[in-house]
Amino acid sequence: EIVLKQSPATLSLSPGERATLSCRASQSVSSYLAWYQQKPGQAPRLLMYDASNRATGIPARFSGSGSGTEFTLTISSLEPEDFAVYYCQQRSNWPPTWTFGQGTKVEIK
Amino acid sequence: EVQLVESGGDLVQPGGSLGLSCAASGFTFRTYAMNWVRQAPGRGLEWVSTLTGSGGSAYYADSVRGRFIISRDNSKDTLHLQMSSLRDDDTAVYYCAKGTISGPFDLWGQGTRVTVSS
Repeated sequence: EIVLKQSPATLSLSPGERATLSCRASQSVSSYLAWYQQKPGQAPRLLMYDASNRATGIPARFSGSGSGTEFTLTISSLEPEDFAVYYCQQRSNWPPTWTFGQGTKVEIK
Repeated sequence: EVQLVESGGDLVQPGGSLGLSCAASGFTFRTYAMNWVRQAPGRGLEWVSTLTGSGGSAYYADSVRGRFIISRDNSKDTLHLQMSSLRDDDTAVYYCAKGTISGPFDLWGQGTRVTVSS
């Protein structure tokens, strides 16, 4: 079973600052990795897929990178609406199963 | 409008059963795999189950295999999750999510709350 570890657990930043979130897999997941954003009381929203592709409607300040076991989500300049919890997700090839990381909370400093 | 709307969440006793539904609209339902993901209070996301577009193949997390059954009615654009032998740790908000068998979950419902308690 592949385990995803996200770091840090909490990131305290101010609007306008750059946020760098990490997701590390216990074994290679190739380039299949997705990122989701969840705000309190809301459903998750897909941000990135295949590590570096922005989902429809996602602003360009969000970018993703990585492959194998190390992945990064970067928010170049935090907007007030970006303060939320972010989850990474990977898919195991066979049988198809999905795993989420434990989440990184980006909070206002 | 492209959306997913879950229903059926309730308070149920340990050992009991409950069925959830997810009504889809705005896309060709039968061509997409569908998923259930849950989130226990104050916790992260946990994948529960995936069903292919045809309904021919289903996959489950170890924590629910043998107790939960995922199904779909493509004539009614509806996804179901039948839950039995419910335990306290099944308490969560249950989300349905649209995806492909190999891709991300690109559309989520608003969730329905299941509470297992005596």
